Amino acid sequence: ELKVEQNPLFLSMQEGKNYTIYCNYSTTSDRLYWYRQDPGKSLESLFVLLSNGAVKQEGRLMASLDTKARLSTLHITAAVHDLSATYFCAAGRGSNYKLTFGKGTLLTVNP
Amino acid sequence: DAGVIQSPRHEVTEMGQEVTLRCKPISGHDYLFWYRQTMMRGLELLIYFNNNVPIDDSGMPEDRFSAKMPNASFSTLKIQPSEPRDSAVYFCASSSYWGVSSTDTQYFGPGTRLTVL
Repeated sequence: ELKVEQNPLFLSMQEGKNYTIYCNYSTTSDRLYWYRQDPGKSLESLFVLLSNGAVKQEGRLMASLDTKARLSTLHITAAVHDLSATYFCAAGRGSNYKLTFGKGTLLTVNP
Repeated sequence: DAGVIQSPRHEVTEMGQEVTLRCKPISGHDYLFWYRQTMMRGLELLIYFNNNVPIDDSGMPEDRFSAKMPNASFSTLKIQPSEPRDSAVYFCASSSYWGVSSTDTQYFGPGTRLTVL
């Protein structure tokens, strides 16, 4: 059974600082997703990572995937208040469309 | 595109009542997913369909839950009878076919917040 662990679960940052959210998964996975959820809202897709060494960037967020270590990271650069949200990673395998989600990381960016 | 549409957005009911949640996927999407989100258990996949056929229902908690997809543009999740522990946000998501190198994703609806008193 595929298990996904995120850490930290809670992250309070100051504006302008950098930080990284970690996502570990338990067995071989060839699809890794990052989603964002604002309070009371739905999930919005941020990144899809398919191969070892994949790196994607959008604004102040950068996601990477290391399939050998079974690890994905979401790096936040120079945080701003608008990035405050819950971030989820999810892993999937092959032709199975079932995704396993992590518990989520609640990010709060303080002025 | 209107995105995934869910109704109702909020539902408050009493224990023992039947609850029906509705979902309209994005047009052209072959896959439809029902998730449940709670503080305690996080986001859980309940069931998913491919071309209107249920593929994996291993996440359906018990026989009180049932899901149908009578056509490509409509799905329902029914709880009968409902219990307070069913209180959660229920999301529907849809996706198109994923080839090996596809970077497509699942697109989530706005969710239905269910409260069972």
